[in-house]
Amino acid sequence: NAGVTQTPKFQVLKTGQSMTLQCAQDMNHNSMYWYRQDPGMGLRLIYYSASEGTTDKGEVPNGYNVSRLNKREFSLRLESAAPSQTSVYFCASNVLGVSTDTQYFGPGTRLTVL
Amino acid sequence: GNSVTQMEGPVTLSEEAFLTINCTYTATGYPSLFWYVQYPGEGLQLLLKATKADDKGSNKGFEATYRKETTSFHLEKGSVQVSDSAVYFCALSSVSNDYKLSFGAGTTVTVRA
Repeated sequence: NAGVTQTPKFQVLKTGQSMTLQCAQDMNHNSMYWYRQDPGMGLRLIYYSASEGTTDKGEVPNGYNVSRLNKREFSLRLESAAPSQTSVYFCASNVLGVSTDTQYFGPGTRLTVL
Repeated sequence: GNSVTQMEGPVTLSEEAFLTINCTYTATGYPSLFWYVQYPGEGLQLLLKATKADDKGSNKGFEATYRKETTSFHLEKGSVQVSDSAVYFCALSSVSNDYKLSFGAGTTVTVRA
C-alpha cells in the first residue's frame, strides 16, 4: 500500500517554463489537496478536490491550475513558472471532507524556479 | 476566519528533557484540532488529534488537550529522544471553512544526545 505518491521529487525550472506535478493515492479517498510549504508560513492550500469531478480554489491559487483526472489522481500545473513559486509542494488526501478526518500526505516535490 | 498561532522556534533540547509547544486558535463553531509532524525529508503525518472540548489526543508519548476556554491545544512530551527531532504543525478543521485544514507556521524541534 503506497499511500500518496508524488512525482517528481525534485525539479528545477527557468522562469516562464511550465510543468505538471503528479499525485496519486491508492486509499480510495474522495478528497485530494495541493499545498505549498514555505519557511515560516506553514502549509497553504492551493487547490482542492472534494470529490471526483470537482475542484475548488484554496488560499493561494494564482499561477496554478489543477486536474482531477480520476478518483486516484490529482495533478497541479504551473503554466508559466515564476521565482515566487519556488517552494515544496505537498499533495494530500482523505476519505471525506469532514472536520475529524485525517489527511494523508505525500513525500513532497521540491521545486526551484530560477 | 480560522487561524492557528503556534510557538515560534527553533527549539533545541537535550535528550530526556520536557517539551512543550504552544498552540492557540481562532475559529467559529467547534473545530477539530490536530498535531502533524514532519521528519526531515518527509511529508507530514498525523501525530494526534482531538475532536471536541476536553478531549486528550495522545501518541508516541506526546499529548495535547483541547481547551475550548483558552482556545488552546498545546503539545507536550515528558522525555524527548533524538528521534523526535522534526517540525511540528498545529492545525484545525471546521465546517465554517468547509473542513479544510488551517495550519500554524510550524515549530522546528532539535533534540541533542
